[in-house]
Amino acid sequence: DTEVTQTPKHLVMGMTNKKSLKCEQHMGHRAMYWYKQKAKKPPELMFVYSYEKLSINESVPSRFSPECPNSSLLNLHLHALQPEDSALYLCASSQAMDRGRNQPQHFGDGTRLSIL
Amino acid sequence: QQQVKQSPQSLIVQKGGISIINCAYENTAFDYFPWYQQFPGKGPALLIAIRPDVSEKKEGRFTISFNKSAKQFSLHIMDSQPGDSATYFCAASLGTGFQKLVFGTGTRLLVSP
Repeated sequence: DTEVTQTPKHLVMGMTNKKSLKCEQHMGHRAMYWYKQKAKKPPELMFVYSYEKLSINESVPSRFSPECPNSSLLNLHLHALQPEDSALYLCASSQAMDRGRNQPQHFGDGTRLSIL
Repeated sequence: QQQVKQSPQSLIVQKGGISIINCAYENTAFDYFPWYQQFPGKGPALLIAIRPDVSEKKEGRFTISFNKSAKQFSLHIMDSQPGDSATYFCAASLGTGFQKLVFGTGTRLLVSP
């Protein structure tokens, strides 16, 4: 089991629905990430939160809206998605830099999203 | 310059053999090089990682070799087992307070019994 917990594991939604993905970690990490992964492809970075502030938005369409309510939680709000948005959505977390050195990034098992 | 090139795309190795996956990068500002293992239906799991001040790192059957001058690094899996069958991603990282990973394209490893 991973230390980054994502819910739900599977989600099927219509193009007019509004849903949210949730991610939780209790490792004290202050950086949290959302990735999108298509089949047989590497994860693609979507958003980065550092100390609960949005630090990176990789030009993601506004139908994806991230939220970081506190240092342990990360949400991804979904609205009016397109069929091409069907993918595995991964959450990850990492410590902040330690003595100027990057720290490992830990992934959850993702939410498998299908858009009808 | 932000790319990480990974090869081969797929690999079949007999049980007990050595699996070797190679990656190359251009950006000399990368300062952290992790390898991730991903099983179907699961998220990527950190396998082993290296920093550019070290030329080799070994953890159990897994070894990273790092060649800074050639801007290349590789993963060696010794005594490969069927349970090692998975997709492997190399990555390189830039970061200032958080980590922006650039992933390779992935290698699907199949270890035959």
